[in-house]
Amino acid sequence: DIQMTQSPLSLSASVGDRVTITCRASQSISTYLNWYQQKPGKAPKLLIYAASSLQSGVPSRFSGSGSGTDFTLTINSLQPEDFAIYYCQQTYGAPRTFGQGTKLEIK
Amino acid sequence: QVQLVQSGGEVKKPGASVKVSCKASGYSFASYDIAWVRQAPGQGLEWMGWISNYNGNTNYAQKVQGRVTMTTDKSTTTAYMELRSLRSDDTAKYYCARVVIGANAGNWFDPWGQGTLVTVSS
Repeated sequence: DIQMTQSPLSLSASVGDRVTITCRASQSISTYLNWYQQKPGKAPKLLIYAASSLQSGVPSRFSGSGSGTDFTLTINSLQPEDFAIYYCQQTYGAPRTFGQGTKLEIK
Repeated sequence: QVQLVQSGGEVKKPGASVKVSCKASGYSFASYDIAWVRQAPGQGLEWMGWISNYNGNTNYAQKVQGRVTMTTDKSTTTAYMELRSLRSDDTAKYYCARVVIGANAGNWFDPWGQGTLVTVSS
């Protein structure tokens, strides 16, 4: 199985900050990497697909980059509604594994 | 709009089975695969498998292989996930998701159903 490792696992930041979350794959996955946001009690929501493509309707302050084994999700100018848990997911191989999740909290 | 609506929560005893439904609307159901993901309380996301709506092929995670069956009914645009021989560690919220396949870019899950809480307790 391809292991996905996120860092940090938790992060405190303030409204207006810029934050970066990293996801590392245990083997090369090209750009077969997605990012999801999950708020308490809600289903995950797709933010970024294919490493850097912004899903329709997602604010442009979210961006993704990377290829191979190392990927990043960047959120510019944090808004109150961005405090949530973020998961990366690889779809290069089966099973389609997720990272452990990064909890973004308000400082 | 594209929407997946899942069945309500269930409480089951160890050893029982559960069947969760996922009703799709707003898109051509037959043109997309359906994936299932679960999330134990306070834990991360665990991919369980997917079913192809093109040919009915399935791919299950090793952890549930032999206990899970995923099916779809094109006439009612509904997907189903049945899990048998339930154990306490199967207690989780179960999500269905539409699988969007990209050109040379893998695939992604969008949208997701609202989730179905399955509680396994004696």
